[in-house]
Formats: sequence, C-alpha cells, structure tokens
Amino acid sequence: GAVVSQHPSWVICKSGTSVKIECRSLDFQATTMFWYRQFPKQSLMLMATSNEGSKATYEQGVEKDKFLINHASLTLSTLTVTSAHPEDSSFYICSARDGAGGTGELFFGEGSRLTVL
Amino acid sequence: GENVEQHPSTLSVQEGDSAVIKCTYSDSASNYFPWYKQELGKGPQLIIDIRSNVGEKKDQRIAVTLNKTAKHFSLHITETQPEDSAVYFCAAGLSNTGNQFYFGTGTSLTVIP
Repeated sequence: GAVVSQHPSWVICKSGTSVKIECRSLDFQATTMFWYRQFPKQSLMLMATSNEGSKATYEQGVEKDKFLINHASLTLSTLTVTSAHPEDSSFYICSARDGAGGTGELFFGEGSRLTVL
Repeated sequence: GENVEQHPSTLSVQEGDSAVIKCTYSDSASNYFPWYKQELGKGPQLIIDIRSNVGEKKDQRIAVTLNKTAKHFSLHITETQPEDSAVYFCAAGLSNTGNQFYFGTGTSLTVIP
C-alpha cells in the first residue's frame, strides 16, 4: 500500500520552544492531508485539514496560531507547534488521501510523540 | 455531518476464536468504509475497506460486511492470534474526494493465548 512518512517519530523539547513535524506522501500526490492529535487510549481527534497551496482548515477549538500548518507541495505538509507547553504533549498523527484520480484511500503516518518539559 | 459509533470499546477473546466489531453511521451519502488497526505507539494502518456497492469483502482471516439500509458495517476476524491484539477503528466517508473520514471511538482487542 501507499506510504506516508512522518518525522520525527518522537521529540522532547523545552517549554517555549517550537517544534516542526513533517508528513510526506512517498508514492502518491496528496492534495489533502490531515493532522490528528491522540490522547492515551482515545480516538483520533482531527485538528485540521491541510490543503496544498492554500490555508489549512482548522477544527473548532484548535488554535491556528498555535498549530501552524503548511502544505507547500503535493507530497509534504508540516505542523509546527509554536511556543510549546507541557499541555501540548501528545501523539500527533498525519494522514493523506490518495485522491486526485487515485484510490481515495487514507493512509496514516507513524505518528510523532511530543513531550514538552 | 456524519456520526460514527463503534462497539464494543473493549473486547477479549481466546486465541483461535472469532472477534466481531460493529459500527453504525448516520449519513446515507457515505460510500466508503475503511478499517484501521493501531498498535501501541504507532499510526493506524489500513487493514481492509469496503465500498457501498458491495455487501461483503474478505481478505484471509479478515472480513467486513456492510448493510446500507441499516447503516451499519462490521469487522470480523476469524482464528484470532495474539498479534491481532490492537486498537481497531472504523471510519466512514466519501470515496474519491479529499474530504475527511469520520472515525469511530475505537475497540481495544485483546487476544488471550
């Protein structure tokens, strides 16, 4: 199946710093990518929809200035957690749809575990 | 919008037995229903999917059924093995679009050796 690569898989940072997470679709073009946050033993919480070449669409309650999303190409979307605080510690997962004439299937990255000290 | 409900939230079975996870959806426009398996500390992996033009799909020990009239679909795992232990998510959405999928709340499956 298609592969979505997410990097880094884990990161530890100090409070107040910014962290960037990359999500790449390796063998298909993804006009749309999605960013999720997952708390322990809970379901996937959609944070935002990342659209190539345009602004991301954020879900209600998600601070767009806190979680900056950039989708500059058809294979790369980035999530930057700005001025991170301990409450931002979580498991962040990206996904990409094999759309634009593809199968329409949704593939996930391996996730990024963020720990803010 | 779409609302997906999933049951049970936890499921324990003996190795070799079958496991069934059920989901319902609310939007009759949804036509694509994937299932994902998430192991601890990893991202979800697509294990099987079904489109609304079929009622059943099977892939080795895994099968999915869809009842469009009742708006429910189920995942069936036969001859379960310890490595099947994971969290399983169902989802519903529209195929061939860039729209989001709507996920169930997950089922934690434990296969007891």
